[in-house]
Amino acid sequence: EAGVTQFPSHSVIEKGQTVTLRCDPISGHDNLYWYRRVMGKEIKFLLHFVKESKQDESGMPNNRFLAERTGGTYSTLKVQPAELEDSGVYFCASSWGLALFFGPGTRLTVL
Amino acid sequence: RKEVEQDPGPFNVPEGATVAFNCTYSNSASQSFFWYRQDCRKEPKLLMSVYSSGNEDGRFTAQLNRASQYISLLIRDSKLSDSATYLCVVNGGGSGGSYIPTFGRGTSLIVHP
Repeated sequence: EAGVTQFPSHSVIEKGQTVTLRCDPISGHDNLYWYRRVMGKEIKFLLHFVKESKQDESGMPNNRFLAERTGGTYSTLKVQPAELEDSGVYFCASSWGLALFFGPGTRLTVL
Repeated sequence: RKEVEQDPGPFNVPEGATVAFNCTYSNSASQSFFWYRQDCRKEPKLLMSVYSSGNEDGRFTAQLNRASQYISLLIRDSKLSDSATYLCVVNGGGSGGSYIPTFGRGTSLIVHP
């Protein structure tokens, strides 16, 4: 069974540019989460989808971040415009129960 | 107080040692608890769930103390391959009654020959 995949694995952009991260969850998993780990800090929740609906987006830092989940399948997280403090590793996770299955993450560097 | 708190370590132990990690959580309404393992520059992977009665999986034992709001992970007969960061995850560990899985900062374990 294929796991959670994320694209790209790395992204280096300049401040003010736009970046879009993609996550493909495990097939059949209705729950999809985005998390972020900033260096030296804990993994922080960003938002949670159930199918195509945003269930909880209380962790989104500000309105520069926009997440979508088309048809309840893959999800995208867009950062526009990117700021220096957005640098970190963005993890996507999916689940059908309580335990999370993580993708390999996207390492975002904003210069 | 942090929602989910762990001693970051590192715990530096010889092969064969027994090591224990604790994790405390602030939300008494938390429902479910997990330990994840994260290797350097990799994603977290589920190690084991933590049940109220405690549970064991090979060399790993997890326990939950609801009264004191902490969970623990015991690793017996440590192997070099156990070197990793161990993340405590609490569902319902978030503020405002949220049931989102909330992560601790992780405890680093280094097992040396």
